[in-house]
Amino acid sequence: RKEVEQDPGPFNVPEGATVAFNCTYSNSASQSFFWYRQDCRKEPKLLMSVYSSGNEDGRFTAQLNRASQYISLLIRDSKLSDSATYLCVVIIRNAGNMLTFGGGTRLMVKP
Amino acid sequence: NAGVTQTPKFQVLKTGQSMTLQCAQDMNHNSMYWYRQDPGMGLRLIYYSASEGTTDKGEVPNGYNVSRLNKREFSLRLESAAPSQTSVYFCASRSGGATDTQYFGPGTRLTVL
Repeated sequence: RKEVEQDPGPFNVPEGATVAFNCTYSNSASQSFFWYRQDCRKEPKLLMSVYSSGNEDGRFTAQLNRASQYISLLIRDSKLSDSATYLCVVIIRNAGNMLTFGGGTRLMVKP
Repeated sequence: NAGVTQTPKFQVLKTGQSMTLQCAQDMNHNSMYWYRQDPGMGLRLIYYSASEGTTDKGEVPNGYNVSRLNKREFSLRLESAAPSQTSVYFCASRSGGATDTQYFGPGTRLTVL
């Protein structure tokens, strides 16, 4: 079983829609959580960190549920420019403090 | 700041050939990483360097070697390329501290025939 699992998608949504992605992690020693964004044929870039109390950055909201071991990303009012792959990333405390990446969820926003 | 730079951007090798992928960062980060990304497999860690002078194996180190030349530069070497090493290779450095962000280079697309 992978340490970090994501639905690969693709999620096809119209402009203006609200879309949510979930990510589950298997290691209870996971201590830090992030969402990265990767555009086609480009490098991953940090989108936002995920805090225990949940956090929002404009149209993006991230939530953490430690009891169920999942994190989520909600995108409101989707734009064409949101089309990308979203990577869930976890730092596991007893794994050398390495970042562990999920396989990514692909989002395609259509006009 | 250029951030993380990688060379070359593209490379085609024949089986058995060797090559070195170069990576440099100008953000004064201690930690640097090499990943490969394959369809359906996500990003997998090949090697990392927690600080200048140290290197450690990641998840998929076989067939690769690395050198942390100085704080800025971290190179990845394929001694005898195999078709299974066809992939996109990303170098990254990590800020650590409160923000703890990993910054990636633009990637090298390698094809081994």
